[in-house]
Amino acid sequence: EAGVAQSPRYKIIEKRQSVAFWCNPISGHATLYWYQQILGQGPKLLIQFQNNGVVDDSQLPKDRFSAERLKGVDSTLKIQPAKLEDSAVYLCASSLVAGGYNEQFFGPGTRLTVL
Amino acid sequence: KQEVTQIPAALSVPEGENLVLNCSFTDSAIYNLQWFRQDPGKGLTSLLLIQSSQREQTSGRLNASLDKSSGRSTLYIAASQPGDSATYLCAVVQTSGSRLTFGEGTQLTVNP
Repeated sequence: EAGVAQSPRYKIIEKRQSVAFWCNPISGHATLYWYQQILGQGPKLLIQFQNNGVVDDSQLPKDRFSAERLKGVDSTLKIQPAKLEDSAVYLCASSLVAGGYNEQFFGPGTRLTVL
Repeated sequence: KQEVTQIPAALSVPEGENLVLNCSFTDSAIYNLQWFRQDPGKGLTSLLLIQSSQREQTSGRLNASLDKSSGRSTLYIAASQPGDSATYLCAVVQTSGSRLTFGEGTQLTVNP
């Protein structure tokens, strides 16, 4: 079974530029999460989708971050414009629908460096 | 607001030693708890998941326990190996299907 796929793996941009990340969850997983992990810290949830609807975006900086999940499968996370403090690893995770073990499976992440 | 704390922040042990990593959480009303491993520059690998009704889970040399009433979990690693060197993260889920709240991790180094 294929895992969670993310691209690109690495991205270097200058501040005030825009950037987008892509995630493809495990087939059949209805719930998709985007986490931000700053160096030396644990991941923090940015946004959670259930199919193509937003369940939790309370920690998403909405003035610069946006995300969408078209057709309830792939998702993109965008930052516009980027700030120095956005340098982090962006992790995508997926899980089966609510109920049961709800184990979350993570992709390899995208490492963003903002100069 | 749930807060997760992991102690110690870093640990260095000789190969073959048994060790315990600690995790505590402030709100005991959790749905489940997961332990993850993270290698440098890589994503998270799930090691063990404990449902709120369970007391422990085992996988190979790993054993995780959960004491929900006291807000604590431990990850026991038996006969440590250099390949166990990584950062270990503990995370809790408050309700079914909701976000994971992570601790800051314990960076483990096992020396040959």
